[in-house]
Order: sequence, then C-alpha cells, then structure tokens
Amino acid sequence: DGGITQSPKYLFRKEGQNVTLSCEQNLNHDAMYWYRQDPGQGLRLIYYSQIVNDFQKGDIAEGYSVSREKKESFPLTVTSAQKNPTAFYLCASKDRVTYEQYFGPGTRLTVT
Amino acid sequence: SQQGEEDPQALSIQEGENATMNCSYKTSINNLQWYRQNSGRGLVHLILIRSNEREKHSGRLRVTLDTSKKSSSLLITASRAADTASYFCATANTGGFKTIFGAGTRLFVKA
Repeated sequence: DGGITQSPKYLFRKEGQNVTLSCEQNLNHDAMYWYRQDPGQGLRLIYYSQIVNDFQKGDIAEGYSVSREKKESFPLTVTSAQKNPTAFYLCASKDRVTYEQYFGPGTRLTVT
Repeated sequence: SQQGEEDPQALSIQEGENATMNCSYKTSINNLQWYRQNSGRGLVHLILIRSNEREKHSGRLRVTLDTSKKSSSLLITASRAADTASYFCATANTGGFKTIFGAGTRLFVKA
C-alpha cells in the first residue's frame, strides 16, 4: 500500500511545549513538503526538502524546524516559538517526473 | 501573498449543472495544477497543465490555461453531490521545487 502517512491524526498540546509531527512516504520521492492550513484558507509552505540531508525554509518557517535524515521521513517540530500553532498540518511528497504532489491525511494540532 | 488566487471563493450549484472555477497567478510558471480537498482531508491531484498547453481534459474535468492573462479555469461538467469539496490551483516556478497554492474555491453541489 503506497502513499504518505501522517501521525497522529489529532494532537493536543499545552502552550510552551514542543511537538513533533510525523510524515513517512514509501513512494521513493526525493522532494517532500510541509504545509499549514488554517480554517477556510489555502496552504502555506513551511519547509521543503529536495533531497536527503537538505531542506529549505518556506514562507512561514519561523517557529518550526525539520530534519531529513532518511528519504522516507520528514518530521516537523512545532516549537514553543511558534506564536499561533493551532492549525491543520499537511505533508506531501512530489513525483519529479509528473510534478504531482501526494498528500498525507493531515494532522490537526490544537495548542491550549 | 499567494501566487494563485481562485475565484469565486464559494460556489453553490445543483447536481447536473456545470461548475467553473478560475485561478489567477502573478509570475511565470512551468505548470499549473488543480487539486481537490474534501473537508478535513489531504489534497488529491486532479490535473496538470503545462505552460505550453492551452487546454486539457480528464473525464468530466476541463482545464484551460492562458499564459498571456496569467489565468486558468477548471470546468467540472455534469456535477454530482460527491464533487462537493474545495478546489485549489497550484503553480510551480521554473525550478519546479516550490509549489504555491491559492486560497481555494469551495464548491457545494446540491442533490
């Protein structure tokens, strides 16, 4: 069963705590992405990685960090520095030939 | 600001009618893609049109691209209640690694 998995589906944290969102793919894609989506809004790019051990900041990287130690995995850490972390987080990978992005089911993070 | 901007923001139609959504963008692109998102889910790729193409079809979907006007349209023919979702356009720059999504059109198809 190929695709992208994100876990957990729902996550609750207290303000001031760091939290790590998991993203795994078995599509053999080099490029992976993290997006944030607020209610009724589009997607905003947080970080992206074109290849293992390399990643770049997107449009809203402040308060977030990532790592890309393995091709299959691209975890996102939401740090306490992120002022408004409550949102829906989507991970994706991209096919370099078709340019199509494959999305995970998302993680809904609530910070109180 | 977002590269792609969809219009209208929301659209409500009856089952069987056609739905047209528009997307405008600001800079040169390599390709433009349309995605669909059901409520609370991830996005699903629908169709891609390259910058040298003007029109593309896939089942009940028809996409047009006008690079001179920096705009694209997505037409869904003979809509069904199951087409109810948000639809996003996404553009990739010449390098292709960074894809920018618009704010989306929320389509509601009444049975």
